[in-house]
Amino acid sequence: DTEVTQTPKHLVMGMTNKKSLKCEQHMGHRAMYWYKQKAKKPPELMFVYSYEKLSINESVPSRFSPECPNSSLLNLHLHALQPEDSALYLCASSHPGQGTSGRVPADTQYFGPGTRLTVL
Amino acid sequence: AQKITQTQPGMFVQEKEAVTLDCTYDTSDPSYGLFWYKQPSSGEMIFLIYQGSYDQQNATEGRYSLNFQKARKSANLVISASQLGDSAMYFCAMREGENNDMRFGAGTRLTVKP
Repeated sequence: DTEVTQTPKHLVMGMTNKKSLKCEQHMGHRAMYWYKQKAKKPPELMFVYSYEKLSINESVPSRFSPECPNSSLLNLHLHALQPEDSALYLCASSHPGQGTSGRVPADTQYFGPGTRLTVL
Repeated sequence: AQKITQTQPGMFVQEKEAVTLDCTYDTSDPSYGLFWYKQPSSGEMIFLIYQGSYDQQNATEGRYSLNFQKARKSANLVISASQLGDSAMYFCAMREGENNDMRFGAGTRLTVKP
């Protein structure tokens, strides 16, 4: 079982709705990530939080608003989305910084099961 | 520019056979990490194996091993004794330097035939 959880699993929303995606981890990680994955494509990085501070924003439109209320929680607030925003949204967590060598470095990202978002 | 290249959109393998999934990368940073993830149809990305740029030996994890050829900038995943449950998308990813971000290749869809 994954130690990164995401809710809801599925979400259908209209273009005028406001909704939020939630991610929670209890692995003691201090870096958390949001990815967007379109069908048959690789995940694309959206945001990175390190020690609860936004460290990377990959020029994501403002209709996506991330929030990291504490070290275990990561939210993605959605407002006025477009149909092309329909995708699988993946959350991940890791220790921040560069991992050391070895079988499993500290900065290995562990993913949640994702939220499948459909915008009508 | 694409930094991670997976040239095989789809691969087929017979159950119990071995299969190699290709991954080449491009970086000028001497410190980097290479990761392989498996994504079943359920959507979750599952970490499989890691190779650091300074690691002298090829990584192994159970039935997974990495054929790391640093001079050629390739990090191919070898799955031995394929099982039906290995059917999934497989992504190669790279983390450069001290960045927390990780970039994925296009992925390879593996189908294991009974």
